[in-house]
Amino acid sequence: QKEVEQNSGPLSVPEGAIASLNCTYSDRGSQSFFWYRQYSGKSPELIMSIYSNGDKEDGRFTAQLNKASQYVSLLIRDSQPSDSATYLCAVLVLWSNNNDMRFGAGTRLTVKP
Amino acid sequence: NAGVMQNPRHLVRRRGQEARLRCSPMKGHSHVYWYRQLPEEGLKFMVYLQKENIIDESGMPKERFSAEFPKEGPSILRIQQVVRGDSAAYFCASSPGGAREQYFGPGTRLTVT
Repeated sequence: QKEVEQNSGPLSVPEGAIASLNCTYSDRGSQSFFWYRQYSGKSPELIMSIYSNGDKEDGRFTAQLNKASQYVSLLIRDSQPSDSATYLCAVLVLWSNNNDMRFGAGTRLTVKP
Repeated sequence: NAGVMQNPRHLVRRRGQEARLRCSPMKGHSHVYWYRQLPEEGLKFMVYLQKENIIDESGMPKERFSAEFPKEGPSILRIQQVVRGDSAAYFCASSPGGAREQYFGPGTRLTVT
């Protein structure tokens, strides 16, 4: 079982719709959770971080975390063609003298005009 | 506040040559991470460094690869005797602390001919 799993997609939604991206993780010691957006040929860009159970909203983005189910999601409301990118879920595990950021393989999102 | 800087952005090397990739973290950040990304694949952790210390190099091949983050100057990822399989995008990320979000540089795209 992969440590951080995402559906590879592609996920296609029409412009204006809600895009829902999901991520599951295996390590119950995971403490911090991040969503990155990566356009083709570019570097990952941090768009959301979430540290506690529940929802966190930032503009059109909402991150949802459920530690009991080991599940984190990203909702994009009013999707725009410019949201078309690969979205990477990242999970941070803390050790006594180290930390370990683990990335999912990413979900490719296409927003069609 | 300048972001993470990497140079060169593109690097072409012949098989057997050495490649040196440089990374300057964001101002105030003392933690540096190197990742490798092959086309259409996810990010693979290579090494985590703090000033003058390698914290975790579990993702870095034991041969030909080395990394450093000196007291003064940028972090350097060094690949000796490059082979075609080393062709990839190499991303550097920095964070203000070990348990914090990471911010990525633009990457260095290495091509081995």
